[in-house]
Amino acid sequence: NAGVTQTPKFRILKIGQSMTLQCTQDMNHNYMYWYRQDPGMGLKLIYYSVGAGITDKGEVPNGYNVSRSTTEDFPLRLELAAPSQTSVYFCASRAGNEKLFFGSGTQLSVL
Amino acid sequence: KQEVTQIPAALSVPEGENLVLNCSFTDSAIYNLQWFRQDPGKGLTSLLLIQSSQREQTSGRLNASLDKSSGRSTLYIAASQPGDSATYLCAVRRGNAGNMLTFGGGTRLMVKP
Repeated sequence: NAGVTQTPKFRILKIGQSMTLQCTQDMNHNYMYWYRQDPGMGLKLIYYSVGAGITDKGEVPNGYNVSRSTTEDFPLRLELAAPSQTSVYFCASRAGNEKLFFGSGTQLSVL
Repeated sequence: KQEVTQIPAALSVPEGENLVLNCSFTDSAIYNLQWFRQDPGKGLTSLLLIQSSQREQTSGRLNASLDKSSGRSTLYIAASQPGDSATYLCAVRRGNAGNMLTFGGGTRLMVKP
């Protein structure tokens, strides 16, 4: 079983470029999340979704956008990439009150 | 605003030692608390989930306790092994904004053979 799948695993962007980080889960989870993790730091919530068609901002949403057209997919869009967005991005999902499942991450560098 | 702190940031122990990792949080109105393990370059794996009504959870050599009133949780690892070397993070889910988890900065554990 695949769980939470993120693509790509690595990416280098130039300042001002845009890209979409893909996330899909096959566990029929309603709740999905995007986090970023900076070196030596905990995870910061960017956006989350409680179900298809519903999204909401987390702690650090500026510079990002999301959509949730299906239960399975929760892509994260970066517009006008900036060096401050260099980070490792994690997608996660859960069902109800249960534990959180994470993808393996996308390492993004903006140069 | 909920803040989660993990001290120490790094810990090195010899193999076989029992150890305790600490997690503290500022707002006791939590829904649950999770402990995660993160290996270098990997995602997070949930180890234990404690609901707010529970005092502890156990899985194998791991035992996590929760004291909401004091804003603390501990992760006890018995008979540590080199394979336990990883970063351990705790995260709390808030009771009145239940969809968001707040993470601590993690404790980087190294178990030496």
